Amino acid sequence: AQSVTQLDSHVSVSEGTPVLLRCNYSSSYSPSLFWYVQHPNKGLQLLLKYTSAATLVKGINGFEAEFKKSETSFHLTKPSAHMSDAAEYFCVVRRPNFGNEKLTFGTGTRLTIIP
Amino acid sequence: KAGVTQTPRYLIKTRGQQVTLSCSPISGHRSVSWYQQTPGQGLQFLFEYFSETQRNKGNFPGRFSGRQFSNSRSEMNVSTLELGDSALYLCASSSPVGQGAYTEAFFGQGTRLTVV
Repeated sequence: AQSVTQLDSHVSVSEGTPVLLRCNYSSSYSPSLFWYVQHPNKGLQLLLKYTSAATLVKGINGFEAEFKKSETSFHLTKPSAHMSDAAEYFCVVRRPNFGNEKLTFGTGTRLTIIP
Repeated sequence: KAGVTQTPRYLIKTRGQQVTLSCSPISGHRSVSWYQQTPGQGLQFLFEYFSETQRNKGNFPGRFSGRQFSNSRSEMNVSTLELGDSALYLCASSSPVGQGAYTEAFFGQGTRLTVV
């Protein structure tokens, strides 16, 4: 079984300040982990993925995430927020070597950027 | 390379009607999954097709069905629509990359279904 918990439903930061979106996971296997972003009325866009290679993963638009097995965490960070980062972010866990059946999604974190 | 294409983007239907949504995956991708997104339930897995076969199904009533064609395009059908079926329906495609591994899921922009 696997699950993912996004610890904050809503995060607000000022433009130019750091962003931290928190995600904890639970899995019976060594999971694959993903962060997706969804802008209003849009589909999901992949930000970054962890698939058992380097634990620090760099993604698009300056985002990165660190896989910490001991803490079962995969938090998403960005050094400096931009107005265009305002969106909903989803942490996703997938059983390794399986397809996309039953991707398990977190409940999402809505990121608001204050000008 | 074209992305995942979902049609139509918006639909308004009346309770009791049925609806068919279409998804064209990225060229070469044989796995297509469908998800329902609602404010209350979040993103929930509906089903997954691979090479025209349904491999897995989520916990949805039988009113929700799907199929996949030989060109990997997929359709999902919802019969006897209920108000609670109003949602954003997302399709995702992926491809095997060897040794049981898959690419990440690439999502379409979704079909917004409103049932009145």
